[in-house]
Amino acid sequence: AQSVTQLDSHVSVSEGTPVLLRCNYSSSYSPSLFWYVQHPNKGLQLLLKYTSAATLVKGINGFEAEFKKSETSFHLTKPSAHMSDAAEYFCVVSLTGGGNKLTFGTGTQLKVEL
Amino acid sequence: GAVVSQHPSRVICKSGTSVKIECRSLDFQATTMFWYRQFPKQSLMLMATSNEGSKATYEQGVEKDKFLINHASLTLSTLTVTSAHPEDSSFYICSADYVTGGIQTQYFGPGTRLLVL
Repeated sequence: AQSVTQLDSHVSVSEGTPVLLRCNYSSSYSPSLFWYVQHPNKGLQLLLKYTSAATLVKGINGFEAEFKKSETSFHLTKPSAHMSDAAEYFCVVSLTGGGNKLTFGTGTQLKVEL
Repeated sequence: GAVVSQHPSRVICKSGTSVKIECRSLDFQATTMFWYRQFPKQSLMLMATSNEGSKATYEQGVEKDKFLINHASLTLSTLTVTSAHPEDSSFYICSADYVTGGIQTQYFGPGTRLLVL
């Protein structure tokens, strides 16, 4: 079985400061990990994905995430937050080679203040 | 590339009527598409996996006779909510499996907001 835990339901940062959204996963097999972003009343947009290549993954809009197997973590970071980053972020896991059924975290609401 | 569209974006219907939602992969072929439901301020709940040319696989607790899924081509899957009731009001999101370099990634549509009166 696989699962994802997003440790913070809400994160608030000031514009221009770093962003850290935490994610821990549990998987019996080699996982693929994703971060998706959802703006209000919109579908999900893929930010980045880890699929057993480089452990530091760079995504769109300046986001990146590091896969740490020893800590079973895949935290999402950005050096400098922008107002347009305010949205809901989902950490997602799927089993590599096990079909593409996704397991979603509960989401983290990112608020960016002036 | 890897764009998924949904139609309609929002629909209001009367209780007891049926509503069809379309999901299209615009620039790639998708053997597998997925249908999700999302309640306000909650995560996505997988309803069913739709495979082109075969019957959909429904998640536990999802009524297959109420949520009819058809995946007749490699670029189109439809979800029909039959005899809709107010409790079916929700945000429905589809995704399509995009395979490149042996890696599968789901790309999501923009969602359909259903309101049943």
